[in-house]
Amino acid sequence: SQQGEEDPQALSIQEGENATMNCSYKTSINNLQWYRQNSGRGLVHLILIRSNEREKHSGRLRVTLDTSKKSSSLLITASRAADTASYFCATDALRNNAGNMLTFGGGTRLMVKP
Amino acid sequence: DAGITQSPRHKVTETGTPVTLRCHQTENHRYMYWYRQDPGHGLRLIHYSYGVKDTDKGEVSDGYSVSRSKTEDFLLTLESATSSQTSVYFCAISPGQGANEQYFGPGTRLTVT
Repeated sequence: SQQGEEDPQALSIQEGENATMNCSYKTSINNLQWYRQNSGRGLVHLILIRSNEREKHSGRLRVTLDTSKKSSSLLITASRAADTASYFCATDALRNNAGNMLTFGGGTRLMVKP
Repeated sequence: DAGITQSPRHKVTETGTPVTLRCHQTENHRYMYWYRQDPGHGLRLIHYSYGVKDTDKGEVSDGYSVSRSKTEDFLLTLESATSSQTSVYFCAISPGQGANEQYFGPGTRLTVT
């Protein structure tokens, strides 16, 4: 089962516009992460926000976390054609001492038109 | 790709044959993971390892086994491949608790005919 669910499933915007993707999850988390996947490639870690943080920035990325609503959003400002990719949220679950497991959502496919 | 390689990158095999996929890292990270990615299902965890010879099952482990005899290598074996195991398989590594970002390999596209 998917812990995180992204919304929308697909998003098409013009270059220069902002793109917002949302993620909802079901259980308590330690942190939430966002990843990007370009077509035919592996996932690339973008940003991590801990459960006690509400907002985090990295370059053109802004992530918010609302633990009361069990939701997060990823905002990409001033989008570029190179931002075209799929974006996934992932929530962690500590399990015994076996390391951190991530549960990924189904992703949002973002297309930025030049 | 953070010092992670996967081999082979593409494989076509027949139903009922055994298949082994290899993940190799040069980062000396403790944790290693195998995922499969299918349309409509996102990434799903198959098995993971938290040290040499220490492994555990993930969400979709049926039909798969793993082994980790060295820190740098994590093998995924399909004992008898089925068409439902046609997928793209990703290996990931992580340094560990407190720094649990995962770094992904380039993927292996497996087709079972």
